[in-house]
Parts: sequence; structure tokens; C-alpha cells
Amino acid sequence: NAGVMQNPRHLVRRRGQEARLRCSPMKGHSHVYWYRQLPEEGLKFMVYLQKENIIDESGMPKERFSAEFPKEGPSILRIQQVVRGDSAAYFCASSPPGQGRSGEQYFGPGTRLTVT
Amino acid sequence: DAKTTQPTSMDCAEGRAANLPCNHSTISGNEYVYWYRQIHSQGPQYIIHGLKNNETNEMASLIITEDRKSSTLILPHATLRDTAVYYCIVKGGSQGNLIFGKGTKLSVKP
Repeated sequence: NAGVMQNPRHLVRRRGQEARLRCSPMKGHSHVYWYRQLPEEGLKFMVYLQKENIIDESGMPKERFSAEFPKEGPSILRIQQVVRGDSAAYFCASSPPGQGRSGEQYFGPGTRLTVT
Repeated sequence: DAKTTQPTSMDCAEGRAANLPCNHSTISGNEYVYWYRQIHSQGPQYIIHGLKNNETNEMASLIITEDRKSSTLILPHATLRDTAVYYCIVKGGSQGNLIFGKGTKLSVKP
């Protein structure tokens, strides 16, 4: 059973470009969460999604960031007009149906975004 | 969700038990205690969770005090690969997200 998959693992963007981060949850999982980890800091929650719905986006910056989890395909975290402060590791996690508000989440390996 | 307090760092000799404490004095009745770890540069890994009874799985044991104000994660025979930051998280069912603090940096030494 494959775990949570994220791609790309490393992404380099110049300031002002767009970054698209993809997350495929574990098979059968219907809840997806995105977290960000700035260098030398802890993980911070960004957004929680179910298929076609954003459940909680209280951790998302108000501008330039958006997330989706379509009916088919991976969840996408999109950052427009990236700035150097967006450089971080972005982790995706998933949990099974009915476990959306439990604390048992399974994390992917992360995408390391570097903005030059 | 209740706040947790953990030591910043701990050392453990390889092969010995690692006992990682966590204080959560403001925990409420419906909140669970979860433990995760993050090995350098990897995604966090779920370890174990409990409500009030002690729990054990293939990775670790979780001991929760009777008043539930503190808990201890026990790695019975630590190996070098257990070197990681360990996070104690208290969580109820009202939100989906986990709140990560600074955790305890465990160094297992040969």
C-alpha cells in the first residue's frame, strides 16, 4: 500500500513565478491536510480539504495561496508570485474517511521549495 | 486544543529505553494525546495515541497519568535510527489540524 506521495520533491522558482505542489493521499483516504515548515521551525497547519471541499483554511495566507482537492486527481497547493519567504518544506498528510478530525494522519515526504 | 510542554532535548544510549515526558495540564476530557516524530528532513511519522489508558504498539508505549495531566512515550530499546524530534500533541475532535510545538530532540548515542 503506497504511502502519501508528493511531487516534486524539490522545486526551485524565481521570485514572481508560480509554484504548484501535488499530493496524492494514501489509497482510500479522503482527507488531505497541508502543512508548512520554515527552516529551523515547527510545522504549521495551512489547510484541510476533502474531495471538492475546503473544510478549514484558517492557516492559509490570505493572498497568493490556494488549495484544491478535485474529485479526480491529486490535491494541489498553488502559490502565485512566490517570494523568498515562501521558501520552506511543504508537507501533505492524509487520513481515512470518517477520521478527518482524528489526529492520526499520514505524512508524505514533503516538497522543498526554494525561491531564488 | 490543550497546550503541551516538552523538554527541548534528551540523550539516550543505544539499546536503552528512551522515556520522553510531556505535560498537558489543561487537557480536557475529550482530548487525546498523540505522539509523532520527525526524522531529519522527512515527513512526520505517527507513533501512537491514547485517551486515558496506557497504549502499546510495535513502535512504542504510551503511559498516561491517572489525572491525564502528563504522559510519557517509551521507546523500549532505542536505536540510532530513533534519533529525531518527538512531538506530543493534544487534540480534540473539533478541528482537523494538528498543532505542532517545538518537540523534544532525542539523540540516541552509541
